[in-house]
Amino acid sequence: DSGVTQTPKHLITATGQRVTLRCSPRSGDLSVYWYQQSLDQGLQFLIQYYNGEERAKGNILERFSAQQFPDLHSELNLSSLELGDSALYFCASSAQDWHSPLHFGNGTRLTVT
Amino acid sequence: GQQVMQIPQYQHVQEGEDFTTYCNSSTTLSNIQWYKQRPGGHPVFLIQLVKSGEVKKQKRLTFQFGEAKKNSSLHITATQTTDVGTYFCAGSTDSNYQLIWGAGTKLIIKP
Repeated sequence: DSGVTQTPKHLITATGQRVTLRCSPRSGDLSVYWYQQSLDQGLQFLIQYYNGEERAKGNILERFSAQQFPDLHSELNLSSLELGDSALYFCASSAQDWHSPLHFGNGTRLTVT
Repeated sequence: GQQVMQIPQYQHVQEGEDFTTYCNSSTTLSNIQWYKQRPGGHPVFLIQLVKSGEVKKQKRLTFQFGEAKKNSSLHITATQTTDVGTYFCAGSTDSNYQLIWGAGTKLIIKP
């Protein structure tokens, strides 16, 4: 158990809809990362927060947004969903915002129909 | 931009054979991390290397960081079915703290 909690585990929704994915980092970790992994593909970095502030942005679409709250949990909002957004979305946390190992949650599997 | 190339994409081995995956960076890295993702699972941190020429071992796994800190390898001796999964490397530099990920190498054990 990595100590990172992601909810929900599975999400099935229709095109055009909006969903929110939630992540609670490991106790004591200040950094939260979001990754997208399409079927049998690599990890695409979306965004990173450190202690409530956006730290780095990757290939995150404008339809996607995220935030980290004062209690350090994070939410990833995906809107105007398309079929191609179907993927596993992982949250990871680390102690610091650089060079620290990442601890991944179990992921949220999003299916857009 | 910065890239980390990882090869091979797939490797099929008989159980008991060795396995190696390689990562090459376009720039000098300050550290490199290795992760394993089992089928249906999430990436799990294995190890971090920070020193030039560093070699670390975890049982049958040997990790190396090149002298120039631009390449790294993971070698598994005598593979077992529990080794099945995808192995990812990820590196960062002193100027860009963001982790740059390799595409992963999928280890498949032939039946």
